[in-house]
Amino acid sequence: GEDVEQSLFLSVREGDSSVINCTYTDSSSTYLYWYKQEPGAGLQLLTYIFSNMDMKQDQRLTVLLNKKDKHLSLRIADTQTGDSAIYFCAAAGSARQLTFGSGTQLTVLP
Amino acid sequence: NAGVMQNPRHLVRRRGQEARLRCSPMKGHSHVYWYRQLPEEGLKFMVYLQKENIIDESGMPKERFSAEFPKEGPSILRIQQVVRGDSAAYFCASSPPLYRASDYGYTFGSGTRLTVV
Repeated sequence: GEDVEQSLFLSVREGDSSVINCTYTDSSSTYLYWYKQEPGAGLQLLTYIFSNMDMKQDQRLTVLLNKKDKHLSLRIADTQTGDSAIYFCAAAGSARQLTFGSGTQLTVLP
Repeated sequence: NAGVMQNPRHLVRRRGQEARLRCSPMKGHSHVYWYRQLPEEGLKFMVYLQKENIIDESGMPKERFSAEFPKEGPSILRIQQVVRGDSAAYFCASSPPLYRASDYGYTFGSGTRLTVV
């Protein structure tokens, strides 16, 4: 089955860019998502990318997809303290299930 | 239009008791998905239901766990004889009938945090 992996922690200074990386194993995963989870809260869908795309930009968020290496990244420009949260990468194929990574804890330092 | 509603937000149970978690889908949604998040892990798929029917329960533990989505009322995830290892956050998502995760991702509820003492 699908396996999705992320690094556990990332610290950046306020105003810098953050890059969160994710790898997945199933090349048939054609839809990839980034979710944000704040403490004690549910998951908020941030953005998504389809496998026929290399890049998607949405305001401060840029998603890059390298299908050959099965590597996905989320770049947050001008990172703010309100961006501190856990970020999950998730993959979906044709099924209705999402496979999530373990999450990256982003800490934004003043 | 309220989002996916889960209750209770927090639930404490002693070992051996039963836990009932409720999920009310978004208005007009007839499909419900349950996911479990163990401490410091990502979400793991448990079960996918439509009203009065279980579509995919491949992620459900074989014993003690059951789920239902009746014609009327919320979806219920039931855990019998809870053990400490059941302590986790349980999240629900919902969708209309023809919607797929491959469309635009699911909307999740805020979750129920179950603590077994």
